[in-house]
Amino acid sequence: AQTVTQSQPEMSVQEAETVTLSCTYDTSESDYYLFWYKQPPSRQMILVIRQEAYKQQNATENRFSVNFQKAAKSFSLKISDSQLGDAAMYFCASLTSGTYKYIFGTGTRLKVLA
Amino acid sequence: ETGVTQSPTHLIKTRGQQVTLRCSSQSGHNTVSWYQQALGQGPQFIFQYYREEENGRGNFPPRFSGLQFPNYSSELNVNALELDDSALYLCASSLTGRLTEAFFGQGTRLTVV
Repeated sequence: AQTVTQSQPEMSVQEAETVTLSCTYDTSESDYYLFWYKQPPSRQMILVIRQEAYKQQNATENRFSVNFQKAAKSFSLKISDSQLGDAAMYFCASLTSGTYKYIFGTGTRLKVLA
Repeated sequence: ETGVTQSPTHLIKTRGQQVTLRCSSQSGHNTVSWYQQALGQGPQFIFQYYREEENGRGNFPPRFSGLQFPNYSSELNVNALELDDSALYLCASSLTGRLTEAFFGQGTRLTVV
């Protein structure tokens, strides 16, 4: 069975500081993507960053970057220079070629302190 | 904005009633998936539709059913509502065969009383 685990229910970070959100996953598929989604109170799932499993290079999108450790099945999100607008629920998710369905973790609530 | 729209945004129903939720997919996308997100949880896959046929189903009972129309829009129907059906229901559109991200709507908040 495919699983995604987020072990941090809640994290806090000071504005302008850096925070890392953790995620581990398990899949038997060799062809898959990993994602981080942000869900603000507006409820819309917003894509933050994605990583193709076949790529060794870690994905980066502006202030957001990932540390993808394929052998360890770990996929953490680093947010640099945190801003008040980054406060939201963050979900880690996997998408595999076998089913084309997302498996989501339970989420991490990020609070940004002014 | 993702181009995926859901209606209604909020809904209150009584236990035992039936409900229909609607989703208009992003232009060019031929696949629609539905997810249930209970309070404080991650979204759970309900089912997926491609070319008007169910193309994969999660661990949900048969009283959860769906439709996809020729224009790729979709409906989620839930019969005999239970209190535990109270959740945010998310629709996501994508291209079948493309292992890329889906685009989510803003969801429908269903409350069963």
